[in-house]
Amino acid sequence: KQEVTQIPAALSVPEGENLVLNCSFTDSAIYNLQWFRQDPGKGLTSLLLIQSSQREQTSGRLNASLDKSSGRSTLYIAASQPGDSATYLCAVRHYEAGNQFYFGTGTSLTVIP
Amino acid sequence: NAGVTQTPKFRVLKTGQSMTLLCAQDMNHEYMYWYRQDPGMGLRLIHYSVGEGTTAKGEVPDGYNVSRLKKQNFLLGLESAAPSQTSVYFCASSYSIPGLVIETQYFGPGTRLLVL
Repeated sequence: KQEVTQIPAALSVPEGENLVLNCSFTDSAIYNLQWFRQDPGKGLTSLLLIQSSQREQTSGRLNASLDKSSGRSTLYIAASQPGDSATYLCAVRHYEAGNQFYFGTGTSLTVIP
Repeated sequence: NAGVTQTPKFRVLKTGQSMTLLCAQDMNHEYMYWYRQDPGMGLRLIHYSVGEGTTAKGEVPDGYNVSRLKKQNFLLGLESAAPSQTSVYFCASSYSIPGLVIETQYFGPGTRLLVL
């Protein structure tokens, strides 16, 4: 069974700092990996999707990388802002029958003004 | 476009009662999913559908049933609610390009369910 882990569970940084969030998964047989943002009491918003054949994706101040062989992905946020405060989740879509999605438990980010 | 909508937003049930959660999407997506989110557990897939009239079990299907009679709607039913089903339920939809697996999941705002 695929297991997805996100470390740290919580992170607090001063505004303007660059930061990295980590995601690891146990089975490399994935179609893709997706990073989401979740604000309190809200649904999830997709930030970046990386196909299994890709190494990274960029969107504005966000850069996500994928090392499928080692079962790792990172989300890099440049020049953090208070508006970046949210929970960030990663999810992998697995090859197994049913192509299920597996989510990590998330990293709660607080950017201090 | 409204995207993915969920009804109701919040509900309180007594143990043994039944209810249906409705998910609707207006993006003509083939795939739809029901997740539950619990503290410290992340999101777990309950059931999913790859097209109208088809459903399949996810990671935690016990105690739930689903139906996809119309492409735009995906219903999640609880026949006899239990306190362990207290959770936040999210619906999502996605598309896929034939020959490629390229899909982004779009999520609804969630339904908070409390079972007493």
